[in-house]
Amino acid sequence: AQTVTQSQPEMSVQEAETVTLSCTYDTSESDYYLFWYKQPPSRQMILVIRQEAYKQQNATENRFSVNFQKAAKSFSLKISDSQLGDAAMYFCAYGGGATNKLIFGTGTLLAVQP
Amino acid sequence: DSGVTQTPKHLITATGQRVTLRCSPRSGDLSVYWYQQSLDQGLQFLIQYYNGEERAKGNILERFSAQQFPDLHSELNLSSLELGDSALYFCASSVGPRQGTDTQYFGPGTRLTVL
Repeated sequence: AQTVTQSQPEMSVQEAETVTLSCTYDTSESDYYLFWYKQPPSRQMILVIRQEAYKQQNATENRFSVNFQKAAKSFSLKISDSQLGDAAMYFCAYGGGATNKLIFGTGTLLAVQP
Repeated sequence: DSGVTQTPKHLITATGQRVTLRCSPRSGDLSVYWYQQSLDQGLQFLIQYYNGEERAKGNILERFSAQQFPDLHSELNLSSLELGDSALYFCASSVGPRQGTDTQYFGPGTRLTVL
């Protein structure tokens, strides 16, 4: 069965600095997608970034980028120039092509220090 | 704003009661998903509808039921409520039927408190 592991329950970063959130997954599928969602204190779930497994190029979205290591089954999120508004719970999610399921990790709570 | 709307935002009710949560998907999206987020259990998938038909089922209790109407809005019915049902209930929508690979956009959630 597919699993998603976020090994950092909490992290902290200084404003304007860079932080990397870790995510690993386990799967035997070849067709899958990976997502990062952000949940700020408002509790709204917001899509941050999406990566297709068949693409070698790492996805980027403004200050957010991923380091996708397919062989290592690792999908980390890098936030550059951190802002106070980046403070949130971040969820990594695995979407299986054959299994057709979206599986969320347990989340990493990111604090941004002014 | 994701374009997914949910009503009500907050709901407070008593044990044993029944409530209905409503969701309108983004324009053009045919799939609706329901999730439950409890403090100690993370995000749990409940059920998916695609174009009016049940598509996938997750950890949905028998006391819970859902449906998707011809205009594509969806309702989640929770009955015989227990204290443990207190949670944030999210609706999400996507264009296609593939839960794993179609990007899901989440609504703001309905916070249910059972007293």
